[in-house]
Amino acid sequence: DTGVSQDPRHKITKRGQNVTFRCDPISEHNRLYWYRQTLGQGPEFLTYFQNEAQLEKSRLLSDRFSAERPKGSFSTLEIQRTEQGDSAMYLCASSHAVTGREKLFFGSGTQLSVL
Amino acid sequence: GQNIDQPTEMTATEGAIVQINCTYQTSGFNGLFWYQQHAGEAPTFLSYNVLDGLEEKGRFSSFLSRSKGYSYLLLKELQMKDSASYLCAPLDSNYQLIWGAGTKLIIKP
Repeated sequence: DTGVSQDPRHKITKRGQNVTFRCDPISEHNRLYWYRQTLGQGPEFLTYFQNEAQLEKSRLLSDRFSAERPKGSFSTLEIQRTEQGDSAMYLCASSHAVTGREKLFFGSGTQLSVL
Repeated sequence: GQNIDQPTEMTATEGAIVQINCTYQTSGFNGLFWYQQHAGEAPTFLSYNVLDGLEEKGRFSSFLSRSKGYSYLLLKELQMKDSASYLCAPLDSNYQLIWGAGTKLIIKP
């Protein structure tokens, strides 16, 4: 297994456009997380899935953001009507949450720039 | 509330030892992780402590005191490639990682 994959690595878009990112977790991992990170800050939690169920979504997340994990495997994160403040690194992570030892494996991230 | 406190930035010399401290307050506790993050890259796992004490892994060691809400990461024989941000992340009662802003470590020759 090659680890967590994210696509694309970079995305430049104009304000008001919609963007979608994809994450492929490590195959046996049942939990999948989305984080957003800006320069000099730690990862900010957005949402997470256990299998296909979206168990939690950050209250800070506007309704322009939506995530899916339809078959409990890959996930997509969509941002509608992008704003310049959405510019950030979007990180996906996965884990095998059975023992409670929640070691996260991260993808390389998608760097979003909203012009 | 939940809170993580780490120094914003530290500077050390190549070959030396540095200790990065972290204090935390979380709703419940199920262990604490340290991650390393190089500029422009995703975080990578360094260590996980769930019981009090010191865990050593090569040049890196991590210490935990649950009663004090305190952890530190000790880096020995510093190398230039250790220049990175180090993120302290406790696991709360819902097994959610709580992230701080991290400590930027600068290594000088």
